[in-house]
Amino acid sequence: AQSVTQPDIHITVSEGASLELRCNYSYGATPYLFWYVQSPGQGLQLLLKYFSGDTLVQGIKGFEAEFKRSQSSFNLRKPSVHWSDAAEYFCVLYQGAQKLVFGQGTRLTINP
Amino acid sequence: GAVVSQHPSWVICKSGTSVKIECRSLDFQATTMFWYRQFPKQSLMLMATSNEGSKATYEQGVEKDKFLINHASLTLSTLTVTSAHPEDSSFYICSARTSGFETQYFGPGTRLLVL
Repeated sequence: AQSVTQPDIHITVSEGASLELRCNYSYGATPYLFWYVQSPGQGLQLLLKYFSGDTLVQGIKGFEAEFKRSQSSFNLRKPSVHWSDAAEYFCVLYQGAQKLVFGQGTRLTINP
Repeated sequence: GAVVSQHPSWVICKSGTSVKIECRSLDFQATTMFWYRQFPKQSLMLMATSNEGSKATYEQGVEKDKFLINHASLTLSTLTVTSAHPEDSSFYICSARTSGFETQYFGPGTRLLVL
């Protein structure tokens, strides 16, 4: 069955530090993968997506993610976080038949 | 581009009444719209998928008579929670996609509180 696992429920990093949010997926074929960010009072915003091709995907707000088939992972990274990056992050898998499978989410807190 | 709006952003209603939530794609035509429910500190759960002009397809366990979905045009879908009860209190989020693309664009959500 298709699934997405985000092992870290909550992560705290200092402003200016680097960030990596983990995501593992289970899918039989080549997956379509997304990272969305949800801020309070705002809708889920698409950060980046991987459909095929280059395994290092660049997104908005300085985020990038790397698709690693051998590890079934699609980790999100940012070299230097800003206080405005504090939010909930969701790794999402396209299941087919128009449906998305969401990970449990990782809440990111930024220390000043 | 690809902006989705929802109205209202929050609503409080009495138990037994019905509440309608609107979802609009503002700058693109949405051939498919989706309704999700999100409980506090949890992920999104798909409730139903609606294609313009067709009946909605509900996920297992979602009562179609309670959560009425109408997708009357390529830019508007509505979710009506009928005879709302306190357990229906939740955060409802819609999303939309256009034909040929798998990316969904999400609305800001509607927080429903049933007293």
